Amino acid sequence: QSALTQPASVSGSPRQSITISCTGTSSDVGGYDYVSWYQQHPGKAPKLIIYEVSNRPSGVSNRFSGSKSGNTASLTISGLQAEDEADYYCSSYTTTSTPVVFGGGTRLSVL
Amino acid sequence: QVQLQESGPGLVKPSETLSLTCTVSGDSINRNNFYWGWVRQPPGKGPEWIGSIFYSGSTYYKASLKSRVAISVDRSKNQFSLRVNSVTAADTAVYFCMGGAAIDAFDIWGQGTMVTVSS
Repeated sequence: QSALTQPASVSGSPRQSITISCTGTSSDVGGYDYVSWYQQHPGKAPKLIIYEVSNRPSGVSNRFSGSKSGNTASLTISGLQAEDEADYYCSSYTTTSTPVVFGGGTRLSVL
Repeated sequence: QVQLQESGPGLVKPSETLSLTCTVSGDSINRNNFYWGWVRQPPGKGPEWIGSIFYSGSTYYKASLKSRVAISVDRSKNQFSLRVNSVTAADTAVYFCMGGAAIDAFDIWGQGTMVTVSS
C-alpha cells in the first residue's frame, strides 16, 4: 500500500480539464510544500511536471498546474490533449523514517 | 544537457547482491546542492524511492530497505552506484537512476534498466 493515495483512474475528453488528487498526512503532504508530480508514458522514465506543490520546471506546459489544501495535493490538466494520456504519480517529502514517498499512481485516459 | 545511463546485470540470483551503476554525462557529479539517487518500479506498479546521496556524500534510504541498500559515489568516474544485498523476487523491477536539486523532486532520469531476480 502506497503512503500517498491517488485515484486509480480518471478520464476526460479533449479540451476538457481534469484534476487528480493525492492524499497524505500531516507528516508529508500536509506538513510541507514539497509535493511533486510526475508524468509517465509506457516504457518511459517518469518526467517531473510539478515541484514544490505548484512550480513547473522549464519546458513543461502551463496546462499543468498544482495546488494543495490541507493533506491533499492536486494536479490539474487543462485543455486535455491526446498526448496527456499517461500515468501520473505524486510524491512528497516526509518526516517519517523514509524521506520520500510516492503515490500509487493515476491512469489518465483521454477519450 | 545532463544525461544519466544505468548499467549492470539484468539477472541476479536470489540471495545474491544486485549492483547497478549510473554514469553522469554533461555535468559533474560534484554539482553543488544536488541529490543523486535511485527509484525502482516493479512491473505494472508505481515507482518506489530507494534512496539518495547528496553531493556532500550524505545518504538517505527508504526505511524498509536500509539494512540491505547502499548508495555510493565514484567522483573520479562521474558515477554513482546502488547495491542491494540478499535479493529476492520482490526486488525484481525496472531500476532508474535520477537526480535533482531537491531530495523529493527529480528532474533528471536515466532510461531505466530491468533487473530480474531468479535462479
